[in-house]
Amino acid sequence: DADVTQTPRNRITKTGKRIMLECSQTKGHDRMYWYRQDPGLGLRLIYYSFDVKDINKGEISDGYSVSRQAQAKFSLSLESAIPNQTALYFCATSDKTTGNTIYFGEGSWLTVV
Amino acid sequence: AQSVAQPEDQVNVAEGNPLTVKCTYSVSGNPYLFWYVQYPNRGLQFLLKYITGDNLVKGSYGFEAEFNKSQTSFHLKKPSALVSDSALYFCAVSPTTSGTYKYIFGTGTRLKVLA
Repeated sequence: DADVTQTPRNRITKTGKRIMLECSQTKGHDRMYWYRQDPGLGLRLIYYSFDVKDINKGEISDGYSVSRQAQAKFSLSLESAIPNQTALYFCATSDKTTGNTIYFGEGSWLTVV
Repeated sequence: AQSVAQPEDQVNVAEGNPLTVKCTYSVSGNPYLFWYVQYPNRGLQFLLKYITGDNLVKGSYGFEAEFNKSQTSFHLKKPSALVSDSALYFCAVSPTTSGTYKYIFGTGTRLKVLA
């Protein structure tokens, strides 16, 4: 079983719909992240959380929101999806006790039509 | 502004030949440096990292990376490429000065190993 699990892995949704991507981890890490990957742009940070009561915006947070329901769960929401949010989304975790190596989930492909 | 550059969008190499994937960075202080690999339809997998110490770091699947402080570079290398090494490779930097442990990723280099 994967240490960082994302659901759904693939989703097609319509413009204006609300969509939630969920992430759960069994690594026991306190830090969790949501990244977006677009061709030629690499990975860009959307939101990050260092513990349950800590939520921080990344470089491209507009149009997104997050919830840290527990240490192991971090969900990303698109309140009103638009086509340019079509991308591959990654959840990731890290922990300062492991030299800050960041570990990624398998990714969630989101297509907004 | 802090940044990471991977100057080559694609690198082609023949199987059995040595490979190099380049990475340079512009980050203050002494950042942590990472390489990740992404196979098709998969997440990013950790290959290796440099924190301190020996400038040559060894990682998974026979990869290694050379840290050069004066050139602010962290190039990924492998002595003998395999077709199965074909993938997308990302360099990442984690600035340590602010203590927030955020990561800056390069745009990725696609490695194609030809049989």
